[in-house]
Amino acid sequence: DTEVTQTPKHLVMGMTNKKSLKCEQHMGHRAMYWYKQKAKKPPELMFVYSYEKLSINESVPSRFSPECPNSSLLNLHLHALQPEDSALYLCASSQVTSGSSYEQYFGPGTRLTVT
Amino acid sequence: AQSVTQLDSHVSVSEGTPVLLRCNYSSSYSPSLFWYVQHPNKGLQLLLKYTSAATLVKGINGFEAEFKKSETSFHLTKPSAHMSDAAEYFCVVSSWNSGTYKYIFGTGTRLKVLA
Repeated sequence: DTEVTQTPKHLVMGMTNKKSLKCEQHMGHRAMYWYKQKAKKPPELMFVYSYEKLSINESVPSRFSPECPNSSLLNLHLHALQPEDSALYLCASSQVTSGSSYEQYFGPGTRLTVT
Repeated sequence: AQSVTQLDSHVSVSEGTPVLLRCNYSSSYSPSLFWYVQHPNKGLQLLLKYTSAATLVKGINGFEAEFKKSETSFHLTKPSAHMSDAAEYFCVVSSWNSGTYKYIFGTGTRLKVLA
């Protein structure tokens, strides 16, 4: 099973709402990633978790709050977003071993619209 | 620092003709390189990867890429394009950072396949 699942597929939220995006994988991967992708652009890395610990935060605004409750789950909590945060949010996972780079497996994404 | 440059933002080919998508990389050490495909409103799918084994890498759906160190290139090819190959393609180099590997994405090449 090489599947990464993401829920919901689509999300529309107002600027005062609080919502969460969910990502799940059962491949035994110990690295999980959040990316933001705007139209016609490559994905931009937001956060990396390695062994359930936050290892990279690419200076993401605090209105985005990641959480990794266990090795299979990754959440992204959203609060007080701005219209420019509307994008496709992609989750990915990979093995992690020092000295080797493994491929990342991507989920289908959550299409977020902030009104 | 690692980087990749995709030399063409758009490529158009006729169905049944060869595909060539060009990627040059910059890396201070032996790189790990990947090609991904993204169909509209979908996640990214791994086509193939190079991790210092064979320089000619075969991937899924008839795609292959050749790692050429002397030219710092990793071009993606396919002998005969299908309509279903129309998508966005990303060349990626992996970079070690803060105890994990980060993906550095190229800007993407949009492939159009003409009937």
